[in-house]
Amino acid sequence: AQTVTQSQPEMSVQEAETVTLSCTYDTSENNYYLFWYKQPPSRQMILVIRQEAYKQQNATENRFSVNFQKAAKSFSLKISDSQLGDTAMYFCAFLAGGTSYGKLTFGQGTILTVHP
Amino acid sequence: GAVVSQHPSWVICKSGTSVKIECRSLDFQATTMFWYRQFPKQSLMLMATSNEGSKATYEQGVEKDKFLINHASLTLSTLTVTSAHPEDSSFYICSARVSLAGKETQYFGPGTRLLVL
Repeated sequence: AQTVTQSQPEMSVQEAETVTLSCTYDTSENNYYLFWYKQPPSRQMILVIRQEAYKQQNATENRFSVNFQKAAKSFSLKISDSQLGDTAMYFCAFLAGGTSYGKLTFGQGTILTVHP
Repeated sequence: GAVVSQHPSWVICKSGTSVKIECRSLDFQATTMFWYRQFPKQSLMLMATSNEGSKATYEQGVEKDKFLINHASLTLSTLTVTSAHPEDSSFYICSARVSLAGKETQYFGPGTRLLVL
């Protein structure tokens, strides 16, 4: 079974600054995917970024980038030039390839507040 | 990205009644959908996996007779909360599995707030 741990229940950052959210996971799988989802106050889950485990290159989507350390089983999210609209709960999620049937394992979530 | 809709977004019902929530994939076909429950400021809890044309697979501790799931087409899954009670009040979210060219992703609906009086 997989586990995902987000050790920061809450984080805050000033607008325009950079913040990093931590995520670690535990698995014996070799083929898997990792995701960061954002859940703003509307509670709509929004895919922020995804990473295939077989790719060494860290994924990047505009102001969002990840630091994927496969050996350390770490998958942190960096948000650059933070904006007020980034205020949300962020979930790290793990998906095993192959026989997982598509089930996601979520971390506990990190509430991020961006201050003006 | 792919779009998933849910209806209704809000529902208030009396204790003992049944409530149906619909989850639709709007621009793609989804053979697999998932139903989650979420309490405020907590993570998503997977309730069941809905597979088109077959019975749903429920997670341990989830009553299948209380939370009926039907996935009758490639674009629609429904969750019916039968004989709802106040403790069933929660936020219910569905998602659809997308697997293209070996790339797996899940897209989520906007959620349904259920309040049982």
